[in-house]
Amino acid sequence: DAGITQSPRHKVTETGTPVTLRCHQTENHRYMYWYRQDPGHGLRLIHYSYGVKDTDKGEVSDGYSVSRSKTEDFLLTLESATSSQTSVYFCAISETLPTNEKLFFGSGTQLSVL
Amino acid sequence: GQQVMQIPQYQHVQEGEDFTTYCNSSTTLSNIQWYKQRPGGHPVFLIQLVKSGEVKKQKRLTFQFGEAKKNSSLHITATQTTDVGTYFCAEITGGGNKLTFGTGTQLKVEL
Repeated sequence: DAGITQSPRHKVTETGTPVTLRCHQTENHRYMYWYRQDPGHGLRLIHYSYGVKDTDKGEVSDGYSVSRSKTEDFLLTLESATSSQTSVYFCAISETLPTNEKLFFGSGTQLSVL
Repeated sequence: GQQVMQIPQYQHVQEGEDFTTYCNSSTTLSNIQWYKQRPGGHPVFLIQLVKSGEVKKQKRLTFQFGEAKKNSSLHITATQTTDVGTYFCAEITGGGNKLTFGTGTQLKVEL
């Protein structure tokens, strides 16, 4: 498996609190992605990064922000968590554009917002 | 947002039966990838299809890309309990920067 670590693995928080999820990679891959997984919706892209300080929105970016100050770290922040953000969050990396490369996924973070 | 549609959403089969999942897009795809996610696990890459009409095999798994590059399928011959999981197709979007996943097909195999 690729060197991807997500932290925390599980988190329970209350509505309105800020939450930051971390994705750390040891592969020196350029591209990093945050997906959320919900029953019936599959995997939906939240934000992605194509380099340090280069990020862009995915299809479900509202309520989320990201930062990438180093190649190896990609942070996902929920500024004020809502119950609708209860989900499993997956980080993924790829060496080059997905046109030419597969994605490697982390083990996921189970987030519950009460 | 636009998602690639997969059918069926769920499939229960008896061990030894065949299984097929289909992926359909309203637009022409540059290429398509397939992933498998075991229960409680994370998605793992299976294969990428690029050419119109392409067929690739991995042991009991056969992947096809439609002639018009608007659909794809994954066929498993003689399913085993190790095939249990959710199978996703994924299309390249955003000028090649992003991978948009289908809704997935959850496969359960009963003895």
